[in-house]
Amino acid sequence: DAMVIQNPRYQVTQFGKPVTLSCSQTLNHNVMYWYQQKSSQAPKLLFHYYDKDFNNEADTPDNFQSRRPNTSFCFLDIRSPGLGDAAMYLCATSITGHYQPQHFGDGTRLSIL
Amino acid sequence: DAKTTQPNSMESNEEEPVHLPCNHSTISGTDYIHWYRQLPSQGPEYVIHGLTSNVNNRMASLAIAEDRKSSTLILHRATLRDAAVYYCILRAPGTSYGKLTFGQGTILTVHP
Repeated sequence: DAMVIQNPRYQVTQFGKPVTLSCSQTLNHNVMYWYQQKSSQAPKLLFHYYDKDFNNEADTPDNFQSRRPNTSFCFLDIRSPGLGDAAMYLCATSITGHYQPQHFGDGTRLSIL
Repeated sequence: DAKTTQPNSMESNEEEPVHLPCNHSTISGTDYIHWYRQLPSQGPEYVIHGLTSNVNNRMASLAIAEDRKSSTLILHRATLRDAAVYYCILRAPGTSYGKLTFGQGTILTVHP
């Protein structure tokens, strides 16, 4: 089945040690999103790619970066994770259009030691 | 962005219908009403969306008030697998990607 796959499901890193989370999709969707979901909170959009164009949300910290080398893959880089960055990170895809549904992966839960 | 208001939690019994309300009194004429749900330890899942008319799909029905200031997601026969957080989200035109702004949602508990 076509889907959005996030690896790994669980990631542990040390305070200040860079970490990369990955997302792949077989849906061939042109838009890819990264959301952050902290414990007991709703998901919050960090940024998205519209094709190769990167769009950052105004309140996304500079510590968070993203790469999209091709249509199928997208990466979330956290340059110097702090304790406050512990969260579930969700990747989603869609085709263009504000009424089009987004398809989510099951997320990567990031813990910071 | 227009805001939505949902009850924090609701309960239902298995195999009974569930009506999940959402208020969006500041909705604009071109905002779509979307519903997503998030099962435990999973990413959100699209349920249904509509603009003005009631909508049905294999998962649920969406009833939209005539003035569009409220809507109701209807699960016709709740199962234990429907226990999740349900989010009502307004999506505005004017952007090519359609940002999802999640509120706190309604936690649905389904009793056997």
